[in-house]
Amino acid sequence: DGGITQSPKYLFRKEGQNVTLSCEQNLNHDAMYWYRQDPGQGLRLIYYSQIVNDFQKGDIAEGYSVSREKKESFPLTVTSAQKNPTAFYLCASMPPDGYNEQFFGPGTRLTVL
Amino acid sequence: GEDVEQSLFLSVREGDSSVINCTYTDSSSTYLYWYKQEPGAGLQLLTYIFSNMDMKQDQRLTVLLNKKDKHLSLRIADTQTGDSAIYFCAESTITGGGNKLTFGTGTQLKVEL
Repeated sequence: DGGITQSPKYLFRKEGQNVTLSCEQNLNHDAMYWYRQDPGQGLRLIYYSQIVNDFQKGDIAEGYSVSREKKESFPLTVTSAQKNPTAFYLCASMPPDGYNEQFFGPGTRLTVL
Repeated sequence: GEDVEQSLFLSVREGDSSVINCTYTDSSSTYLYWYKQEPGAGLQLLTYIFSNMDMKQDQRLTVLLNKKDKHLSLRIADTQTGDSAIYFCAESTITGGGNKLTFGTGTQLKVEL
């Protein structure tokens, strides 16, 4: 089955620790995206990547970092510089043609204690 | 810049029609979308409309686009309890870094018996 996986579903970390969220897709999509979701604020774009070894900052990139070494994988690191990291994080990918639909993973809920 | 707005809550009775509204600001958007999010899950595309269309119907769903007023709506006919979810509208924009979506704040639809 093709799809996007995010792991783990729930993640707890102590304040001051970096944490990496996993996102893997086997849809052969070039573009991948990371969003943060907070209640009443919708989805906000953190980083996105159109192709391997290239990525762009989104609207709220401060305190986050990404890498895109493989087409299938786009991990997001939440660093200790992110002032309010507790949120629901969603990864998405998009095929190269069609109507720009994004396919979403199930999300990771990060809680920083 | 892009900005997409929605009302936060809508409550309807089972069997009635629901209408969720959205306003956007980027007149160059090529596609506009409606996504559905069930609790604790990722987003799922419900439907989309190309920017040169006024209306699109897909079974119980009707999308209306008023490009002059930058207004998008989603009508769900015969609303069921399974339709209870958060609904996001989104617009597609092309940036120097590639395609990206800008999401609204989401409308929480509650269907009551």
